[in-house]
Amino acid sequence: GAGVSQSPSNKVTEKGKDVELRCDPISGHTALYWYRQSLGQGLEFLIYFQGNSAPDKSGLPSDRFSAERTGGSVSTLTIQRTQQEDSAVYLCASSLGPGGTQHFGDGTRLSIL
Amino acid sequence: QQQVKQSPQSLIVQKGGIPIINCAYENTAFDYFPWYQQFPGKGPALLIAIRPDVSEKKEGRFTISFNKSAKQFSLHIMDSQPGDSATYFCAASDNTDKLIFGTGTRLQVFP
Repeated sequence: GAGVSQSPSNKVTEKGKDVELRCDPISGHTALYWYRQSLGQGLEFLIYFQGNSAPDKSGLPSDRFSAERTGGSVSTLTIQRTQQEDSAVYLCASSLGPGGTQHFGDGTRLSIL
Repeated sequence: QQQVKQSPQSLIVQKGGIPIINCAYENTAFDYFPWYQQFPGKGPALLIAIRPDVSEKKEGRFTISFNKSAKQFSLHIMDSQPGDSATYFCAASDNTDKLIFGTGTRLQVFP
């Protein structure tokens, strides 16, 4: 596609449920990033993929958060046993390679009831 | 050390005014300083970026001023328009590639 695509655009779930968020990067982009944007806050880095490897997972807030990337393309961010503090917009970005301009999707707005 | 401090939190200007948004950092390893523009319900989009080997960069109505010794950089929007109303984020990156973002400035430009 022309840009980074994220799905779903909105997700409402009950506390304690697991959620999966999907990111389709721009075709040919080898680097992929996940960020979290809480209300009134800046973007918080979560994890970085180069190809299928994640050399930097330092931003994942707890072991309830995990991410994978397959085929050097689609990435899935999984949050297990969701908590209310997980409510935020989760943004994905991709770039041609390390150091390249990061292009963002429109995010998934996650609401935990 | 990883923080980027951004001010002001919000800004209101008349059309044609020159809003200025400021950012400061501590980590001297940062070597890439982009500004992103975000409209409601959309992801951030790169506006302009600078590296520390220059003190100013201009693209259209947008200018970044960079002061390496003070560890500060700012965004100036010349001849601001109502369509510039958005949230602006500064960011910084070192060779680890992840972006460290400021907390954002909500700009409103009134006709």
